[in-house]
Amino acid sequence: GAGVSQSPRYKVAKRGQDVALRCDPISGHVSLFWYQQALGQGPEFLTYFQNEAQLDKSGLPSDRFFAERPEGSVSTLKIQRTQQEDSAVYLCASSKTETVTNEKLFFGSGTQLSVL
Amino acid sequence: GNSVTQMEGPVTLSEEAFLTINCTYTATGYPSLFWYVQYPGEGLQLLLKATKADDKGSNKGFEATYRKETTSFHLEKGSVQVSDSAVYFCALRGSGNTGKLIFGQGTTLQVKP
Repeated sequence: GAGVSQSPRYKVAKRGQDVALRCDPISGHVSLFWYQQALGQGPEFLTYFQNEAQLDKSGLPSDRFFAERPEGSVSTLKIQRTQQEDSAVYLCASSKTETVTNEKLFFGSGTQLSVL
Repeated sequence: GNSVTQMEGPVTLSEEAFLTINCTYTATGYPSLFWYVQYPGEGLQLLLKATKADDKGSNKGFEATYRKETTSFHLEKGSVQVSDSAVYFCALRGSGNTGKLIFGQGTTLQVKP
């Protein structure tokens, strides 16, 4: 597609519910990142995929957070038993190759999650 | 660990005023430095970057110089426009890692006609 697409754009969940957030990266992009952006803050790294391999998940805040990219394209971030502190905008970004050091990242518009 | 600190906003300027948004960083090794911009309702976009000391990144009239001696990467523009109103994020990418970005907290710029 033309850019990184994320869905849903907005998600409201009751505390304790499970949610799944989807990211469609730019077609053919090898690297995919998930970030969490709390209100008024900068994005914080959650996890990184190179094709289907999850190479870095050091930013996932708890074992309630799980991400996958089974076929090396679409990725899903799942949050189990959501808590109020999970309320944030979740951003997905992709880049063309695996050598990401100086490559441009393309960001989606994000999914705004509100946990009531 | 690596970190980025930006000046707090909001910054409110009149059109054609000079803009500076301060950014300092803490990092081991030789990070790459970036400015990203987020326009209302849109995703983050790369504005400019610098990959080594004394490099100057520039785009759309914005500039920033990688100063290793002061660990800074301040964003400047000589004459802002209303269309520059956005949130600006300074970020670094450490050397030798998976490529994850460390962001500052963002600075909101509002330009009035």
